[in-house]
This record gives sequence, C-alpha cells and structure tokens, in this order.
Amino acid sequence: GIQVEQSPPDLILQEGANSTLRCNFSDSVNNLQWFHQNPWGQLINLFYIPSGTKQNGRLSATTVATERYSLLYISSSQTTDSGVYFCAVGRGGGADGLTFGKGTHLIIQP
Amino acid sequence: GAVVSQHPSWVICKSGTSVKIECRSLDFQATTMFWYRQFPKQSLMLMATSNEGSKATYEQGVEKDKFLINHASLTLSTLTVTSAHPEDSSFYICSASPLARETQYFGPGTRLLVL
Repeated sequence: GIQVEQSPPDLILQEGANSTLRCNFSDSVNNLQWFHQNPWGQLINLFYIPSGTKQNGRLSATTVATERYSLLYISSSQTTDSGVYFCAVGRGGGADGLTFGKGTHLIIQP
Repeated sequence: GAVVSQHPSWVICKSGTSVKIECRSLDFQATTMFWYRQFPKQSLMLMATSNEGSKATYEQGVEKDKFLINHASLTLSTLTVTSAHPEDSSFYICSASPLARETQYFGPGTRLLVL
C-alpha cells in the first residue's frame, strides 16, 4: 500500500510564528487531504488538495503531485492551532479509504 | 453542509458484550462509508469499507466476524463490535463522501472502553 510520512513529528512554537508541515507519499494519489484533530478527537477538514495550491485564511497548502509531497503552511500561529495535523491520501477519490500519516503534533505556546 | 454524526460518542461495556456504533450522513447521501480505528497517540487505521446494499470490504488483519458492518441505507452505516474484549478498546471514527465528490468527511468518533 501507499506509505505516508509526515515531518516533523513534533513542533513547538511561540504564538505568532509561522510553520511548515510536510507530507511525503510513496505513490500516485487521486485524493490528498489535510486534517486538524482537535483535543476531543474530531477531525476537521482543512484542505482537499491532490494537486496545486489553496489558501484559507492563515492556512495554505501546496501539493506537488509529480514529486509526491504536500506542504501545509500555518502563518501567525495562535494557541488554538495546537493539536495534531494529519495528512491522508487515497487512490480512488471518494470511493477509497484513506491512508494516514502519523501526524505532526503542534504546540503553540502563548 | 457535509456533516457526519456518530452515536454513541462514548461507551463503556463489560468484556463479552456486543456494542453497536452508528454512523450517519446528515445532509448528503453516501454509497460508501469508511470505518477507522485510532489507538491513543497513534494515527488512524482504515478497518473497512462499508458499501450500501452489499458486503463490506475489510482491510488485511481486521476480523470480519469480530467487526460486523451493515450499510442499510444511503445515510446509515453501523459497526458492531461482537464479544468485545479489552484489546478492542479504542477510538472508532467513520467517514463518508457525498455522491460524486471526493472529499471525505469524518464523524466525531466513538470512544469504546471494554472492562
């Protein structure tokens, strides 16, 4: 199956800092999503981005499908950004389950 | 839009009992839903794909007789953990995609504790 590697595994930053999270995957994919898992376990959709670049407020993401990696950028971090960020990929769009990376645990300190 | 609910949100049961977890798509229809399991401080692992009107597809290593899946309608899938044991204690999460769309939306999860 597809292998998904996320880096860094842990990241501690001060409020206001910027961060870049990386996701490498081992094969071609038709689905790539970024999620934020909150302290209660809910997965919050951040981006559906199998290719290209998207922005939503302080967050943006870029996927370079030909080189099999995706980046999630968080600017002007806030304490509420803390949590685990997961990258997940799939081959068949909505018809296939997702393979998750191990996540990046982000802590934003005030 | 694209809201997925799960019920119950948490359950505690005795070893040997069966537990049913419901996953509903509230504002869209889904021919396919997915069940994942997450152990503490670990990632999500796909357990099975639930197909409306047909048998579920299980990932390698997942016992289909232990985890029974029924997808009776385009908005409801159920996961039954049969004869639960302490090692089945975990966080179970379902997801679904609206028809003709590719983004998967996740439910809030169900925490199962087997004593």
